Amino acid sequence: GAVVSQHPSWVICKSGTSVKIECRSLDFQATTMFWYRQFPKQSLMLMATSNEGSKATYEQGVEKDKFLINHASLTLSTLTVTSAHPEDSSFYICSTSGRAGNEQFFGPGTRLTVL
Amino acid sequence: GNSVTQMEGPVTLSEEAFLTINCTYTATGYPSLFWYVQYPGEGLQLLLKATKADDKGSNKGFEATYRKETTSFHLEKGSVQVSDSAVYFCALSDRGGGGNKLTFGTGTQLKVEL
Repeated sequence: GAVVSQHPSWVICKSGTSVKIECRSLDFQATTMFWYRQFPKQSLMLMATSNEGSKATYEQGVEKDKFLINHASLTLSTLTVTSAHPEDSSFYICSTSGRAGNEQFFGPGTRLTVL
Repeated sequence: GNSVTQMEGPVTLSEEAFLTINCTYTATGYPSLFWYVQYPGEGLQLLLKATKADDKGSNKGFEATYRKETTSFHLEKGSVQVSDSAVYFCALSDRGGGGNKLTFGTGTQLKVEL
């Protein structure tokens, strides 16, 4: 399957700062990218779906002004958590899908801790 | 809306034991069903899938059958190995292939001991 990387793998930041997480599709043209959030012992919750060159579609209850998603190319999407607060601490996972839409390929995740 | 319920873990088994991880779902229409596996430090990987009722997905000795009458997609393996230790997620998509929006269960951690 396709290889998806995320950077950083973990980050600790102070409350009020912004954090950017990158998701790269290394060997695959990702027309669609998904961003998930996972709390301990809970399922992955889809935050938003983005198509290359288009604005992201956010799930109900997800603040689009707080979680900025940019999908500028077929290999890169970024998630920026703006003015982070401790309640934003979580595990963020991206996945990619191609035009055929048959499968998603997942990144290893980014652990965000906001102090 | 769609939802997936799977048994809580951790599940601890001895090597060569039989494995069952239960998964039931709620969805409208005819969803596709998936099992993903997450090994320590890695991203989720598709383990197997089934796209219509009575289909059986299989891979690496794991099997799951799409049971519409019981809305279930239980994961089974006849003889587990230590290398099967991972977290297993059941998921569904209500739009065909797994490249579309997925709804996940909470995950079940499997530990296999010698």
